Amino acid sequence: QKEVEQDPGPLSVPEGAIVSLNCTYSNSAFQYFMWYRQYSRKGPELLMYTYSSGNKEDGRFTAQVDKSSKYISLFIRDSQPSDSATYLCAMSNAGGTSYGKLTFGQGTILTVHP
Amino acid sequence: DADVTQTPRNRITKTGKRIMLECSQTKGHDRMYWYRQDPGLGLRLIYYSFDVKDINKGEISDGYSVSRQAQAKFSLSLESAIPNQTALYFCATSALDGLGETQYFGPGTRLLVL
Repeated sequence: QKEVEQDPGPLSVPEGAIVSLNCTYSNSAFQYFMWYRQYSRKGPELLMYTYSSGNKEDGRFTAQVDKSSKYISLFIRDSQPSDSATYLCAMSNAGGTSYGKLTFGQGTILTVHP
Repeated sequence: DADVTQTPRNRITKTGKRIMLECSQTKGHDRMYWYRQDPGLGLRLIYYSFDVKDINKGEISDGYSVSRQAQAKFSLSLESAIPNQTALYFCATSALDGLGETQYFGPGTRLLVL
């Protein structure tokens, strides 16, 4: 079993839809949770970073962590064609001033059509 | 100019050939990584280096070798390429930015082994 599981999709939605992307994990030592966005023919870029359980909002994006269920989500409101990309979740057992082991999910391919 | 650059961006080679993928960074980070990305498998770590004298194997190092020529340069070699090494290869650097570890990826090298 992989430490981090992410549905690869692909996911296709109309412009303006609410998108929900999810990852589950098995390692209870993970404390820091990240979402990277990867456009076609580009490297991944950090989109959002959250610590422990709870929600974090940044514009149209909301990251949610439920450590009791070992489940994280990324919600995109009012999705735009420019949101079309692969979204990768990533998790670490350390953060703040410490490096840890970073583990990526498989990535979900999202297409938002006009 | 990009902070993390990779050369070449695309490469076609034949089975048995030795090839080298190069990575340079201007971010001043000590930590550098090589990943491969395959559809449905996400990012898998090949090798990583915490400084010029410290090189470590990742989860899929067989068939690969690396060289850290300087803080800014980290090269990946395929000693005798085989078709299942066809993939997208990414170099990355990382740093602690207050929230935790952020990885910065290059644009990738698309490799086809015939």
